Amino acid sequence: NAGVMQNPRHLVRRRGQEARLRCSPMKGHSHVYWYRQLPEEGLKFMVYLQKENIIDESGMPKERFSAEFPKEGPSILRIQQVVRGDSAAYFCASSPPTQNEKLFFGSGTQLSVL
Amino acid sequence: GENVEQHPSTLSVQEGDSAVIKCTYSDSASNYFPWYKQELGKRPQLIIDIRSNVGEKKDQRIAVTLNKTAKHFSLHITETQPEDSAVYFCAATDSGGYQKVTFGTGTKLQVIP
Repeated sequence: NAGVMQNPRHLVRRRGQEARLRCSPMKGHSHVYWYRQLPEEGLKFMVYLQKENIIDESGMPKERFSAEFPKEGPSILRIQQVVRGDSAAYFCASSPPTQNEKLFFGSGTQLSVL
Repeated sequence: GENVEQHPSTLSVQEGDSAVIKCTYSDSASNYFPWYKQELGKRPQLIIDIRSNVGEKKDQRIAVTLNKTAKHFSLHITETQPEDSAVYFCAATDSGGYQKVTFGTGTKLQVIP
C-alpha cells in the first residue's frame, strides 16, 4: 500500500505564475488535508476535503488559493499569482474514513517563489 | 476553534537523559491527542497517540500523559539517543464533527552525544 504521494517534491515559480500541487491519498482513504509549513515553524491547517466536497477551508487565504478533490484523480492545491511569501513546504495528509483523526502525511512539496 | 500551545520551542539534552515536552489545549471536548516526529527535510510521522479515556500510554522509550482537568498533555522520552533529534509536534482534535487536527508550534529536540 503506497503512502500518501505528493508531487512535485520541489517547485520553483516566478512571482505572478501559478503553482499546482498534487496529492494522492493512501488507498482507501477518503479524507485529505493540506497544511503549510514555513521554515522553523509549525504546521498550519489550510483546508480539509472529502471527495468532491470542501469540508473546511478556514485556513485558506481568501484570495489566490483554491483546493479541490475530484471524484477521480488527486487532490490539487492551486496558488494563483504567487508571491514570495507563498514560499513554504506544503504537506498533504490523508486519513481513513473510520479514523479520520489519524493523519498520514506525504513528503511535501517545497515551493520556492523567485 | 481549538488552540494548542507547546513548550519548550527548543530542548537540548545529553544522550541517555530524559526529555519532556508539554502541550496545553483549549477545547475541553477534544478527545484525541497525537504526537508527530519530523526529521529534517522529511514528513511528519505519528509516533504515539492517546485518547481522552486514558491517562497514560507507553511505547518502549516513549510515553504520553494526559490531564483532562487541566487540559494538558506531555511527551516523555527516556534514555534519549541521537536519532531522537527531530522536531516534535503535539496535536489535538477539534470538537467539530469531522475531527480537524490542530498542531502545536513544535519542539526542536537536540540530543547531544
